[in-house]
Amino acid sequence: NAGVTQTPKFQVLKTGQSMTLQCAQDMNHNSMYWYRQDPGMGLRLIYYSASEGTTDKGEVPNGYNVSRLNKREFSLRLESAAPSQTSVYFCASSPNDDRGYGYTFGSGTRLTVV
Amino acid sequence: SQQGEEDPQALSIQEGENATMNCSYKTSINNLQWYRQNSGRGLVHLILIRSNEREKHSGRLRVTLDTSKKSSSLLITASRAADTASYFCAPNTGNQFYFGTGTSLTVIP
Repeated sequence: NAGVTQTPKFQVLKTGQSMTLQCAQDMNHNSMYWYRQDPGMGLRLIYYSASEGTTDKGEVPNGYNVSRLNKREFSLRLESAAPSQTSVYFCASSPNDDRGYGYTFGSGTRLTVV
Repeated sequence: SQQGEEDPQALSIQEGENATMNCSYKTSINNLQWYRQNSGRGLVHLILIRSNEREKHSGRLRVTLDTSKKSSSLLITASRAADTASYFCAPNTGNQFYFGTGTSLTVIP
């Protein structure tokens, strides 16, 4: 099973450029999430989508937009990249029910903004 | 903050020893999860404990939860070099989990 697939794995952007990080899951999960991970900061939630057709802000949404394209795909867009957005970005999904399953994470996208 | 806070930040033990990590949080929770992250990889779900549970086991993992103290612990018994990773707790108060900065565990062969 592929699980959660993120593309690209690495990216270097110049300040002011835009890009979209792609995420797709094949587990029929209802909820999807975008996190960023910075040294000493843990994982911080950027945006999440509790179900298809809905999106909500997390802890650090400024500078980002998201699209829940369908149940499988949840993309994260940086409209005008800034050096402060240099980070490792993780997408995750969950069934969002009470069966006791946690999040399934992708392998991450390492983004450097110069 | 709804984040979990792990303690200690770093832990180094010999192979075969037990490793204990603690997590504290500040709000009422529905459940709490523990995750492992190997260097350069995504997080992997280890175990979930619900707010009405006090202890849960999974293989060499034992998790406890004390909602009165707003704390949880993760015990890894008979550690192996392959257990070297960062471990995160994630309290859940609704639709999402809030991760702390993690405990970095090094198991020395």
